[in-house]
Amino acid sequence: ELKVEQNPLFLSMQEGKNYTIYCNYSTTSDRLYWYRQDPGKSLESLFVLLSNGAVKQEGRLMASLDTKARLSTLHITAAVHDLSATYFCAVATGTSGSRLTFGEGTQLTVNP
Amino acid sequence: NAGVTQTPKFRILKIGQSMTLQCTQDMNHNYMYWYRQDPGMGLKLIYYSVGAGITDKGEVPNGYNVSRSTTEDFPLRLELAAPSQTSVYFCASSYTDFYEQFFGPGTRLTVL
Repeated sequence: ELKVEQNPLFLSMQEGKNYTIYCNYSTTSDRLYWYRQDPGKSLESLFVLLSNGAVKQEGRLMASLDTKARLSTLHITAAVHDLSATYFCAVATGTSGSRLTFGEGTQLTVNP
Repeated sequence: NAGVTQTPKFRILKIGQSMTLQCTQDMNHNYMYWYRQDPGMGLKLIYYSVGAGITDKGEVPNGYNVSRSTTEDFPLRLELAAPSQTSVYFCASSYTDFYEQFFGPGTRLTVL
């Protein structure tokens, strides 16, 4: 059974600081997705990582994938309040790759 | 494009009642999914479909049924509702299994 673990689960940080969220998974996969969810809202796609060594960047967020280590990171640079949300990683499994297993989420709060 | 739409937004059911959660997408996506999200948790896959007439079970299918008669619609049926089915239900769609999934706004269901 695939397990996806994120850490930390809760992160409180100051504006302007840098931090990294980690996503570990237990079985082989070469597809990993990052999503953002604001309170009471739906999920918004942030990054799609489809191969070992993939790196994607959008604004203050950068995601990477190491399939050999079964690890993805979401790095936050110079955090701002608008980044406060819950961030989920999701790993694709199955022969068609259609099944996503989500981590528990990292609840990020950026304080002024 | 409206994207992925879900109805109803909220619903309260009594134990033993049945209902259908509606999901429609206008992006001509082949793949559609149903997830549930319990408080403070990640999403769990209930059922998914890779095209009209084709459905398959996800991680937590018990107590639910689906059908996919058209590309656009993917309804989720709850038979004999139980308190354990109290959750937020998200429908999603994607072009293929490599692309990111686009999520609907969710249906908040309470079973009393």
